Amino acid sequence: GDSVTQMEGPVTLSEEAFLTINCTYTATGYPSLFWYVQYPGEGLQLLLKATKADDKGSNKGFEATYRKETTSFHLEKGSVQVSDSAVYFCALSEAYNQGGKLIFGQGTELSVKP
Amino acid sequence: GAVVSQHPSWVICKSGTSVKIECRSLDFQATTMFWYRQFPKQSLMLMATSNEGSKATYEQGVEKDKFLINHASLTLSTLTVTSAHPEDSSFYICSARREAGRQETQYFGPGTRLLVL
Repeated sequence: GDSVTQMEGPVTLSEEAFLTINCTYTATGYPSLFWYVQYPGEGLQLLLKATKADDKGSNKGFEATYRKETTSFHLEKGSVQVSDSAVYFCALSEAYNQGGKLIFGQGTELSVKP
Repeated sequence: GAVVSQHPSWVICKSGTSVKIECRSLDFQATTMFWYRQFPKQSLMLMATSNEGSKATYEQGVEKDKFLINHASLTLSTLTVTSAHPEDSSFYICSARREAGRQETQYFGPGTRLLVL
């Protein structure tokens, strides 16, 4: 079945460092891909998404490109801030906008130090 | 943005008791809500899809008699863990689907931590 694999955390970075969180997926079709973020004490929030190959999702300085050839959707940010400390989840959906369910990776905890 | 709340945020109960968790969409109507379960350091696993006015759809391996779902209104879904046992201890998260034209977005609640003694 479909699955999502993320790099293990926790990831600890200094402020203004470059961030990459790897995400690869296995799917039978052509899924939509997502990154969700969960700040301490809050629910998951959609950070960005991409619905087809070569699409780039971006938001709040974060970017991820849908790479069909490598089945990847790595999350990047050029300069992280302390406020980016959170848990990041990569997810896919085979039939988004048609009620398709989300399949999540295990989450990667990011801690940014001043 | 859209807000989804859960109540309670955490609960401790004795083995054999039943626990009800509420999920509310505060500023939009949701015909569909989802219930997830998350173990420490693991993924969110979809347990069931809750449809307003109809029976929930459970994922394979999830006991429908154990995890009762009721979606009686467009803003409220409840998950009842019946006769809870220590292995049911987990973090339960709901989401509500908001539809706007052809676009839909799932908004997540903050989760409910259940500890069964």
